[in-house]
Amino acid sequence: EAQVTQNPRYLITVTGKKLTVTCSQNMNHEYMSWYRQDPGLGLRQIYYSMNVEVTDKGDVPEGYKVSRKEKRNFPLILESPSPNQTSLYFCASRKGVGLRAGQPQHFGDGTRLSIL
Amino acid sequence: SQQGEEDPQALSIQEGENATMNCSYKTSINNLQWYRQNSGRGLVHLILIRSNEREKHSGRLRVTLDTSKKSSSLLITASRAADTASYFCATAPYQTGANNLFFGTGTRLTVIP
Repeated sequence: EAQVTQNPRYLITVTGKKLTVTCSQNMNHEYMSWYRQDPGLGLRQIYYSMNVEVTDKGDVPEGYKVSRKEKRNFPLILESPSPNQTSLYFCASRKGVGLRAGQPQHFGDGTRLSIL
Repeated sequence: SQQGEEDPQALSIQEGENATMNCSYKTSINNLQWYRQNSGRGLVHLILIRSNEREKHSGRLRVTLDTSKKSSSLLITASRAADTASYFCATAPYQTGANNLFFGTGTRLTVIP
């Protein structure tokens, strides 16, 4: 089954303790992206990647890192989490990149992070 | 911000009625997409309309796009209780090569059986 898988689904942690949220897709998609969803603000893009070793900032990249060492994986790293990063995070993937890539994005089920 | 804005923020209708949601945006776009989100789940793609298209249909869904007004609407006909969800529009701005997708804040639709 074609899917985007995020882990963990839920995490409660403390300020400053490094954490990684993994994202994996099995559709051989070139494009992957991370979003955060906050009440009243909708989804905002954190980082995206157009292919292996190619990443770029989205709308709200501060406090986050990503890597794309393999096509299927796109982990989100919070080096020193703070309470304002408490949010619902979504990973997404899409076939193709650029102007010709008018393709829909496939989303994971989300990771709810609470930073105390 | 380049985010779209949906209107209304919340909509409650009876089963069988039609539901219309609107989206306004600010910049020239490559395409506009509508997504659905059930509570606690990820977003599911519904329909994509390109900047050179004016109307698109998919099953009970009808999407219109007016680039001169920078607005789009999503119509769900003959609504069902299972249509209860949040609906988001997302714009792919032309200048960023469709690699950035900007989501609105969503319309929460409740369909009463």
